[in-house]
Amino acid sequence: EIVLLQSPGTLSLSPGERATLSCRTSQSVSSTQLAWYQQKPGQAPRLLIYGASGRPTDIPDRFSGSGSGTDFTLTITRLEPEDFAVYYCQLYGRSPPGFIFGQGTKLDIK
Amino acid sequence: EVQLVESGGGLVKPGGSLRLSCVASTVSFSNYAMNWVRQAPGKGLEWVSAVSGSGASTYYADSVKGRFTISRDNSKNTLFLEMNSLGADDTAVYYCAQDRDFYDSSGRYVGNAFDMWGPGTVVTVSA
Repeated sequence: EIVLLQSPGTLSLSPGERATLSCRTSQSVSSTQLAWYQQKPGQAPRLLIYGASGRPTDIPDRFSGSGSGTDFTLTITRLEPEDFAVYYCQLYGRSPPGFIFGQGTKLDIK
Repeated sequence: EVQLVESGGGLVKPGGSLRLSCVASTVSFSNYAMNWVRQAPGKGLEWVSAVSGSGASTYYADSVKGRFTISRDNSKNTLFLEMNSLGADDTAVYYCAQDRDFYDSSGRYVGNAFDMWGPGTVVTVSA
């Protein structure tokens, strides 16, 4: 069974700074299997990135995803106040079919 | 814009049952696989179950296999989750989520992800 490990657990930064969030898988996976979500308190998650680097049209371009194999990264350039939230990576597993979420990274205002 | 709205949550005693519903405001509901995802208080996201667009294929997390049943009624744009033998560990906000396949400009599949979520319904299992 594949395991996802997100790091750091908490990241404290200031508005305007750059955030780099990591998601590592215990086995090499296809980039098509990796997505990122943002969740604010009391709200449902919101899709940020699909296929490791694809961005839905309603997501600002300061959000970007990259990576391959076992190492994937979500980067937020020039943090805005509304970006402080919890971020989850998600893996689509094919055998058996299902989904796994990382434990999350909380992005805090410093 | 597609909207998903869950209902059916509430307080139930250990060992009890509950049926959750999720209504989608879309004309293409049957085109998409659908999922249930839950979040225990103060915890992260946990995928629970998925059903294919036709309803013919279903998948479950090990934590709910044999106790939960996912189904859908495409004529009513509704997704269901029948939950039996509930325990305290099942206490959570339950979200329904639409699973979309994404393609690049040349038509190549580039991934799938949950592009639409409902606001969630709260399930509390307590005596």
